[in-house]
Amino acid sequence: GAGVSQSPSNKVTEKGKDVELRCDPISGHTALYWYRQSLGQGLEFLIYFQGNSAPDKSGLPSDRFSAERTGGSVSTLTIQRTQQEDSAVYLCASSLVASPDTQYFGPGTRLTVL
Amino acid sequence: TQLLEQSPQFLSIQEGENLTVYCNSSSVFSSLQWYRQEPGEGPVLLVTVVTGGEVKKLKRLTFQFGDARKDSSLHITAAQPGDTGLYLCAGANDYKLSFGAGTTVTVRA
Repeated sequence: GAGVSQSPSNKVTEKGKDVELRCDPISGHTALYWYRQSLGQGLEFLIYFQGNSAPDKSGLPSDRFSAERTGGSVSTLTIQRTQQEDSAVYLCASSLVASPDTQYFGPGTRLTVL
Repeated sequence: TQLLEQSPQFLSIQEGENLTVYCNSSSVFSSLQWYRQEPGEGPVLLVTVVTGGEVKKLKRLTFQFGDARKDSSLHITAAQPGDTGLYLCAGANDYKLSFGAGTTVTVRA
């Protein structure tokens, strides 16, 4: 398919463990975004990548969260020493250019921290 | 604290009825977007409104942007079961989107 893909679709982990979530954006899209959707809440912006520019990390909730984007394509969101409050759906979106108008979302990864 | 407040939080109606969802903010946005999200999927963009006072129609859906560009509404005429989903509004400034908590709409056959 040509859409944004994310893996795994579901992840259950124990408190204190590290997790990695992967996002494959639409081919050719230069901008990539990570959001978190907690139960009963809207999407919360986490981080934004645009080409080779420094990422906007202003939405990361703590230093346990980090993300990288290799080769301007695939992105990995890493959460270290997971806590129960990290349980949420993590959504990735990509767009051709840096515009809010053309973000295409993946299906998300549902993270459950026991 | 949500930057955008959506109301109601839940809405359950019979097929054929009309419904309106509201999105309010104290902030001004360069544009406002409406998304629909179904379980296990990411949000899908329905419409973007840019100009204060703008009204856009997509078949049975009517979207309005307030004159001050702080609030918006989504009206669905003659709702169908296929309209069931989570409706999210999002305000845009530059490349960042600020989302409301969403309105869960259930249309009963």
